[in-house]
Amino acid sequence: QLQLQESGPGLMKPSETLSLTCTVSGDSIITSSRYYWAWIRQSPAKGLEWIGSIDYWGGAYYNPSLESRVIISVDASKNQYSLKLNSVTAADTAIYYCARHDVVPVSPFDAWGQGTLVTVSS
Amino acid sequence: EIVMTQSPATLSVSPGERATLSCRASQSVSSNLAWYQQKSGQAPRLLIYSASTRATGVPARFSGSGSGTEFTLTISSLQSEDFALYFCQQYHNWPPLTFGGGTKVEIK
Repeated sequence: QLQLQESGPGLMKPSETLSLTCTVSGDSIITSSRYYWAWIRQSPAKGLEWIGSIDYWGGAYYNPSLESRVIISVDASKNQYSLKLNSVTAADTAIYYCARHDVVPVSPFDAWGQGTLVTVSS
Repeated sequence: EIVMTQSPATLSVSPGERATLSCRASQSVSSNLAWYQQKSGQAPRLLIYSASTRATGVPARFSGSGSGTEFTLTISSLQSEDFALYFCQQYHNWPPLTFGGGTKVEIK
């Protein structure tokens, strides 16, 4: 059974770089070429916000509103993928989820991690 | 960017009654529309995709309809476990993938 698990720091200071990792179990990123691996965040101010998705070949798609600050990458050897968001502010305080969706055709998110709360505060 | 608007923000319904939730897209998304349920402290769960297809394990009391810009999620007879937040999401045109602001279904 597929499981996604986010990990990373819960508390950050403004201007730092947020780094989160999603560990995939029950499936292989290498052999699951039909899927995108995504990051989504949720806050009271902005609701659910898609951050970006990456495919097995490393092709990434980002939300234009965040694209200048975001990098998503895959470490297939560890069956993980990661999110880096630089220059964080209080507005980046949110629950961050990793999730999966089909590549062709693009489909909704059929599996989610439990989420991890990231708080940005001085 | 396609903007998704949900209404109402809060819906008060008695157990056993029907609930009707709406989602509107700022431009046509064809049938590329999904609904999610989110309970307190949990991640969203996929309920409906392709506007009207129930995801695996979703009870038949949940149904979706619509195409283009107007969509509806109907819960035919609310059970206690159905009181939650519901979101719509379009996957017709991306990036970005976009979500509605959500409807909270609460006990009347």
